[in-house]
Amino acid sequence: GDSVTQMEGPVTLSEEAFLTINCTYTATGYPSLFWYVQYPGEGLQLLLKATKADDKGSNKGFEATYRKETTSFHLEKGSVQVSDSAVYFCALSVTGYSTLTFGKGTMLLVSP
Amino acid sequence: DVKVTQSSRYLVKRTGEKVFLECVQDMDHENMFWYRQDPGLGLRLIYFSYDVKMKEKGDIPEGYSVSREKKERFSLILESASTNQTSMYLCASSFERGSGYTFGSGTRLTVV
Repeated sequence: GDSVTQMEGPVTLSEEAFLTINCTYTATGYPSLFWYVQYPGEGLQLLLKATKADDKGSNKGFEATYRKETTSFHLEKGSVQVSDSAVYFCALSVTGYSTLTFGKGTMLLVSP
Repeated sequence: DVKVTQSSRYLVKRTGEKVFLECVQDMDHENMFWYRQDPGLGLRLIYFSYDVKMKEKGDIPEGYSVSREKKERFSLILESASTNQTSMYLCASSFERGSGYTFGSGTRLTVV
């Protein structure tokens, strides 16, 4: 079946450091890929998405590129802020199916 | 922006009680979902619905039921609450199959 694997956290960084959170997937079809962010005590918010190979999703300084050859969708940010501290979820959706498959989430902690 | 509203942020219920969790979306979305989120387990799909009066079991439907009498409202029912149903419950909706979700803020349920 479809699955998403994320690096385990927590990822601990200092402010202005470079961030990478790895995400790889397996899927039977041609998935769309998503990153969601969950701030403490809140629901998940869509951060960015990509719908086909080589697409780059971007939002709020975060980027991720859909790499079909490596089945990956790694999240990156050049300079993190304390306010980026949250849990990040990678997810996929196979065309024609309504449900998303989520990774287990990666907690990011950014210190001043 | 689409808004998904969950009726309660925090609930405390007693073992054996029948519990209703309500979710309303305001953007005419076809698809609605209920997940539970637990530490170390990520998000697990309980039930989903892609039309009024339609429902589909997710990965962990045991102990739960759902109701979708109107397009905008999707209710999760715990028939007889148990302590192992203590969790964060997240409702979501989506416009079409394969598109991303919009989440509510979540309901943290404690069963004592």
